[in-house]
Amino acid sequence: GESVGLHLPTLSVQEGDNSIINCAYSNSASDYFIWYKQESGKGPQFIIDIRSNMDKRQGQRVTVLLNKTVKHLSLQIAATQPGDSAVYFCAERDSSYKLIFGSGTRLLVRP
Amino acid sequence: EAGVAQSPRYKIIEKRQSVAFWCNPISGHATLYWYQQILGQGPKLLIQFQNNGVVDDSQLPKDRFSAERLKGVDSTLKIQPAKLEDSAVYLCASGGGSGESNFGPGTRLLVL
Repeated sequence: GESVGLHLPTLSVQEGDNSIINCAYSNSASDYFIWYKQESGKGPQFIIDIRSNMDKRQGQRVTVLLNKTVKHLSLQIAATQPGDSAVYFCAERDSSYKLIFGSGTRLLVRP
Repeated sequence: EAGVAQSPRYKIIEKRQSVAFWCNPISGHATLYWYQQILGQGPKLLIQFQNNGVVDDSQLPKDRFSAERLKGVDSTLKIQPAKLEDSAVYLCASGGGSGESNFGPGTRLLVL
């Protein structure tokens, strides 16, 4: 029901610390992965992506790591800021270009 | 570059009524998606269009949901009749082939 859906995993970090958000994906044939940030009342916003032939990709303050052996994806945010507070979703793309989303992690940044 | 546009932003209806949502994708994007996002969950794909053809509608409840993308640009998603469990955010996204999907702000539907 709705009350169960509200119990998103939550990561609480101090402003300025680094954040690590983890995600397990399901399909070993997925070739492309994306991290999205979703703020309250808005649609998901692209953060960073990585293709399956890579194991690490860096952006501005964000790094995505891909471990295909254990089907694990992580998002690292350096020097976390209050504006980073949001729900973060990982998504995998299957062979038909369909994006399959994970269940999300809520990031709370303490001032 | 203008983003994905959706309307209306909010809709409240009673069960058994019908409702329609509209989406205007980013110009030139061939792929268009409709997702349903229930509170506290990740988006779930309902239907995927490539130009004006359906690529995947395996998770669309076809007894009550329908979608079309005439002329391969704008798209509409309709629910008829609505049920209480259809209360959710309906997200439209478009993609241009680079891989990432660009999402619109969504339409928040409440069925009473």
